[in-house]
Amino acid sequence: NAGVMQNPRHLVRRRGQEARLRCSPMKGHSHVYWYRQLPEEGLKFMVYLQKENIIDESGMPKERFSAEFPKEGPSILRIQQVVRGDSAAYFCASSLTRVTSGGKYYEQYFGPGTRLTVT
Amino acid sequence: DAKTTQPPSMDCAEGRAANLPCNHSTISGNEYVYWYRQIHSQGPQYIIHGLKNNETNEMASLIITEDRKSSTLILPHATLRDTAVYYCIVRVLSGSARQLTFGSGTQLTVLP
Repeated sequence: NAGVMQNPRHLVRRRGQEARLRCSPMKGHSHVYWYRQLPEEGLKFMVYLQKENIIDESGMPKERFSAEFPKEGPSILRIQQVVRGDSAAYFCASSLTRVTSGGKYYEQYFGPGTRLTVT
Repeated sequence: DAKTTQPPSMDCAEGRAANLPCNHSTISGNEYVYWYRQIHSQGPQYIIHGLKNNETNEMASLIITEDRKSSTLILPHATLRDTAVYYCIVRVLSGSARQLTFGSGTQLTVLP
């Protein structure tokens, strides 16, 4: 079973261009999460999506950032008009719903990340 | 989610047990302790989680104190490949799927 896949692994954009980051979740996983890790900082949650729905976008910057997880195809994190401060590693994670005696839980599996550099 | 406190860094000799502590004194009764690690530049990797009983899997053991205010992740025979940042995260298990809140973690360096 292939893990979470992200592409591209490295992306270079000039200021003002658009960046599109793709995430293919593990097979059977219907939950996708995006996290950002700025240089020398910890991971910060951005957005949580299920198929065709944004569930929680409390960590997303209000402008220029958007995310989608269509019925078919990968999840996309889109950054418009990139600025130098957007340079970071962007990680995607996916999970499925496991039902145990303790209830439902969602174990997240992370992809290798996309390193965005804005010049 | 309850706040966690971890030492910023630790060293461990290769082949010895690495014991990584985590304080979570404000943990609630329905919150679990999760451990993830991030090897340099890679995506975080799930290690183990538990509620109140000690847990063990192929990667590590998790010891949670009886009052649940602290826990210790144990890597029984650390190798150089275990050098990573280790994150202790406290969160509700069941209910809605929620994001993980990462703190600054502990940088574990395994020395040859």
